[in-house]
Amino acid sequence: SQTIHQWPATLVQPVGSPLSLECTVEGTSNPNLYWYRQAAGRGLQLLFYSVGIGQISSEVPQNLSASRPQDRQFILSSKKLLLSDSGFYLCAWGSRGLYEQYFGPGTRLTVT
Amino acid sequence: AQTVTQSQPEMSVQEAETVTLSCTYDTSESDYYLFWYKQPPSRQMILVIRQEAYKQQNATENRFSVNFQKAAKSFSLKISDSQLGDAAMYFCAYKDQGGSEKLVFGKGTKLTVNP
Repeated sequence: SQTIHQWPATLVQPVGSPLSLECTVEGTSNPNLYWYRQAAGRGLQLLFYSVGIGQISSEVPQNLSASRPQDRQFILSSKKLLLSDSGFYLCAWGSRGLYEQYFGPGTRLTVT
Repeated sequence: AQTVTQSQPEMSVQEAETVTLSCTYDTSESDYYLFWYKQPPSRQMILVIRQEAYKQQNATENRFSVNFQKAAKSFSLKISDSQLGDAAMYFCAYKDQGGSEKLVFGKGTKLTVNP
């Protein structure tokens, strides 16, 4: 069966520091991968998605970037965090035969 | 752009009773998918049920069922025999059949189950 991992689970970072969140998927090949952000009391907002290695699509221009160095690895980064980057970040995977997406456990990021 | 609206920020139900959560959406597409996700306190999003727009039959998964009204662009979730473990945020989501990879989410409904 497929499993999706995210780390770290919780992160507290000062403004201006860099960020790297990692997501890996097991049990499937060539998945579509997604990064979402959930602000307090709101639904999920798609940040980036990838349909293959090195292929990244950005949905919202902002202080963040994403990379996919391996088939089942998706990384969310920032060079300098802003207070507004605080939130709950969720990674998800999907496949071309499926239309639903399956989510990881998430990372709670607090920028201080 | 597609939008999803959940008009009930909070709902409550007695254990063993039935509750219905509402969702409406706006799209000009004819082929699409609709989903209900559950987010318990752990905050991991869990897929509850999905509906293909081309199917007239309403989807059912155990105690969870939907009422899909395509013309009205309505997609409600019914939870029967509510259990304490059903307490969570519930999100309605939409996805085009083709083109965009994006899931569009509503803002969620917080469901409380009273013992």
